[in-house]
Amino acid sequence: DTAVSQTPKYLVTQMGNDKSIKCEQNLGHDTMYWYKQDSKKFLKIMFSYNNKELIINETVPNRFSPKSPDKAHLNLHINSLELGDSAVYFCASSQKAGLAGGRTGELFFGEGSRLTVL
Amino acid sequence: AQSVAQPEDQVNVAEGNPLTVKCTYSVSGNPYLFWYVQYPNRGLQFLLKYITGDNLVKGSYGFEAEFNKSQTSFHLKKPSALVSDSALYFCAVRDRTGGFKTIFGAGTRLFVKA
Repeated sequence: DTAVSQTPKYLVTQMGNDKSIKCEQNLGHDTMYWYKQDSKKFLKIMFSYNNKELIINETVPNRFSPKSPDKAHLNLHINSLELGDSAVYFCASSQKAGLAGGRTGELFFGEGSRLTVL
Repeated sequence: AQSVAQPEDQVNVAEGNPLTVKCTYSVSGNPYLFWYVQYPNRGLQFLLKYITGDNLVKGSYGFEAEFNKSQTSFHLKKPSALVSDSALYFCAVRDRTGGFKTIFGAGTRLFVKA
């Protein structure tokens, strides 16, 4: 069973369109994330949800809207796609890092969704 | 501001030779430290982490990392490189007081030549 799965793996679309990426984790983690990896492989956090509550919202255009229907799912919807949105989007999950129980919050990543905007 | 630096874009090493991928960090407090590996067209995979205690931590696939508090470094090492180790390696830090944000370095591409 795949721990963190995201769909679709590839999206090719025209500027101005709207698209969604879905993510599911079966690890029982409370926290999920969206990361963007650009063409230079730099990883930037976009959003994080802990138990369905938005806890990280980096400087991201409001065309990007995450939604977490439950703690095992985190979806990303992108409106009015632009050329600069082309990237690989990674979903990840973790336990919350903290002193109790030695939880260190290492991330478990999906395989990525490559978005190409033409 | 918190940051992670990986000073080398690429590291080249011959198979069988030892390898080192460098990482330094600038983070307040005592963060958790991680190494992740990314193979082509794949997601990142956790390799190892430093929590506390012994400065040399061992991880997956024969990798280890050396923590140096005075130099705020966490270099990734392997005694004998394999061609299959060729991949992109990311150093990362995370606040240990309950924070949610993991900050990644820019990545270092490791190329192991047969």
